[in-house]
Amino acid sequence: EDKVVQSPLSLVVHEGDTVTLNCSYEVTNFRSLLWYKQEKKAPTFLFMLTSSGIEKKSGRLSSILDKKELFSILNITATQTGDSAVYLCAVDSNYQLIWGAGTKLIIKP
Amino acid sequence: NAGVTQTPKFQVLKTGQSMTLQCAQDMNHEYMSWYRQDPGMGLRLIHYSVGAGITDQGEVPNGYNVSRSTTEDFPLRLLSAAPSQTSVYFCASSYRRGGTDTQYFGPGTRLTVL
Repeated sequence: EDKVVQSPLSLVVHEGDTVTLNCSYEVTNFRSLLWYKQEKKAPTFLFMLTSSGIEKKSGRLSSILDKKELFSILNITATQTGDSAVYLCAVDSNYQLIWGAGTKLIIKP
Repeated sequence: NAGVTQTPKFQVLKTGQSMTLQCAQDMNHEYMSWYRQDPGMGLRLIHYSVGAGITDQGEVPNGYNVSRSTTEDFPLRLLSAAPSQTSVYFCASSYRRGGTDTQYFGPGTRLTVL
C-alpha cells in the first residue's frame, strides 16, 4: 500500500530559528513529490520535486529529494510568525496523489 | 480569474439528509477532484474526473456521488449523510492528473453531520 509519512507531526519554535520538516514515502510508481502550505484554508503550492539531489529554493524555503532513501526535506530558515501553518507533503504515484498527514508548525514571536 | 470556488462554506446536516457541495473552476482545467480532510490525517481522495463526462472513484468514495457535465463544474453529492462524513471538503483542479501540474484548491466546505 502506498504511504507518505511526515515528521514531526507538530513543531513549536521561536522566530528566527531554522526548521527542517521531513517526508518519507513508500509508493508503487514514483513520479513526483510536492510540498504545500496550508494556513487557515486551502493548501497552496510550494515545490515540486522529481530529481534527486537538486535543491528547489524560494526565498527562505528550500527543499530537496532523495530518491534512493525515499524522503524529502523542507527547510525554512530565519522563521517568521507568518510561516506558522500546516505543511503537507504529497507523492504522485501512478498519477494519484498520496498525502501525508502534515506537520503543524507554530512560530512563537 | 476566480480560480476554484466552492459553496457553501459551512453546512450542518442531520443524519440521513442529502446535499450537494458545489465546485467550479474558470481555468479550463481538465482534471478535477474532491478530497476530505480530517484531523491528524492527510487529504483523502473521494472522486476525481479527467474531463467532462468522465469520473472515477478515489480512496474513499462510499456515500458520495459525482458527475461532470461541463469542464467547469464538479459537484459532490452526499446521498444520505452520516456522522462519519463530518469533515472539511476541498475541491481541486489542475491541467492534468497527478503531481506534475500544480493543484489549485478551493477554500473548502466545513460539513458537520449531527
